[in-house]
Formats: sequence, structure tokens, C-alpha cells
Amino acid sequence: QSVLTQPPSVSGAPGQRVTISCTGSSSNIGAGYDVHWYQQLPGTAPKLLIYANSNRPSGVPDRFSGSKSGTSASLAITGLQAEDEADYYCQSYDSSLSGWVFGGGTKLTVL
Amino acid sequence: QVQLVESGGGVVQPGRSLRLSCAASGFTFSNYGMHWVRQAPGKGLEWVAVIWSDGSQKYYVDSVKGRFSISRDNSKNMLYLQMNILRAEDTAIYYCARSVTHSRWDQSHFDHWGQGTLVTVSS
Repeated sequence: QSVLTQPPSVSGAPGQRVTISCTGSSSNIGAGYDVHWYQQLPGTAPKLLIYANSNRPSGVPDRFSGSKSGTSASLAITGLQAEDEADYYCQSYDSSLSGWVFGGGTKLTVL
Repeated sequence: QVQLVESGGGVVQPGRSLRLSCAASGFTFSNYGMHWVRQAPGKGLEWVAVIWSDGSQKYYVDSVKGRFSISRDNSKNMLYLQMNILRAEDTAIYYCARSVTHSRWDQSHFDHWGQGTLVTVSS
């Protein structure tokens, strides 16, 4: 059971918009810790997608955006493309566990 | 460009030891904290350990405390993970990842990852 809760799967047609939620608690997201998002394409290492809740590293398309509110965060992907099919993970820090924590991951399927 | 290359994985019997290495290049290694993150087959990501840029502080996930030890050699741009008393549940791909902090150390994230090395614990 992951400390951060994500839906196991989401799907959408090409061109559509999807969102992936990440729900935490008062010891992680709710305590003010930043949320970061990673994309893991099949058979590859994770790649940083969004950092500090809503910032994109250079090279990440602006189709990807992040937000945070209260004890939750969200990743939005607009204009879905086949190449977006991947696993997505949220990550934060947990003060009760004194360590970095991940969500269980969400598999995005592009229909 | 930043490169992280892990090595040292393999098949090991329960109770035995293994040392993983991560060779860093393309950046000033001694300026960055470094993490180990693992991923069991078909499962999600799990943070394992962190070491400060100067090696002064180290932290571990509870499940590996007392068994795993993270270290680094800044003169060689190398990160290590010594894994002792290995268990079947330690079977995973182990990634090294660079830590980036924009404000406080506990707000850090992982901006570059290696390709990973597979550790299989089995008799």
C-alpha cells in the first residue's frame, strides 16, 4: 500500500485530456511538501516530468501540467498522443516516515 | 550531458551480500546528493536511500535499515549501495538518481536517473 494514492489506470483517445490524481495526507502533501511527477515508458527508467508541483523541466511539452491543493495533486495531459502511453508516478516527502515516497503509479492507455 | 550508469546487479542467494555501483559523469558529482530507488518486477517505485553531497548524512527506508549502506567516493564520481542479508523481497531493478533541491533538502526531487541494474535474490 503506497503512502500516496493514485488510480491504477486511466485512458483517453488521441487529442483528449486526461488527469491523474495523487492523494496524500497531513504528513506529506498536506504538510506543504512539493509534489513531483515522473513518466516511465515501457522498459525504461523514470523521467522527470513535473517538479515542485507545477514546473516543467526543459524539453517537456507544455501539454503536461501539474497542480496541488490541500492533501492532493494532479497531473493533466492535454492533446493526448500515442507516445504518452506510459506509467506515471507522483512523489513527495513524508515527515512521519522521514523519507521520500511515491504513489503506486498510474498506467495511461491511449485508445 | 548527465550520465548515471549502474552496475553490480545479478542473482544472489538469500542471506548473501551484493554491492551496487553507479558511475556519474557530465556534472560536478560532489555538488549533488544522490539516491537509490528500486522497482520490484511489475511494481511501483520505492525510495531506498539518500546520501548528502559530502557524504555527511545518510537516510534509509525502514525495510533496509541495518542491512543496506549507501556511500560515495567524490574523487572517483562513484555512488555505492552495499546490500547485506539480502531477502527475496529485495528483488528489484535498482536505480541511482541525482537529487535536486530548490529550497529545502526535503523538497528535493530526482532529475536524472540511471538505466538501472537488476538484483534477483533467489535460492
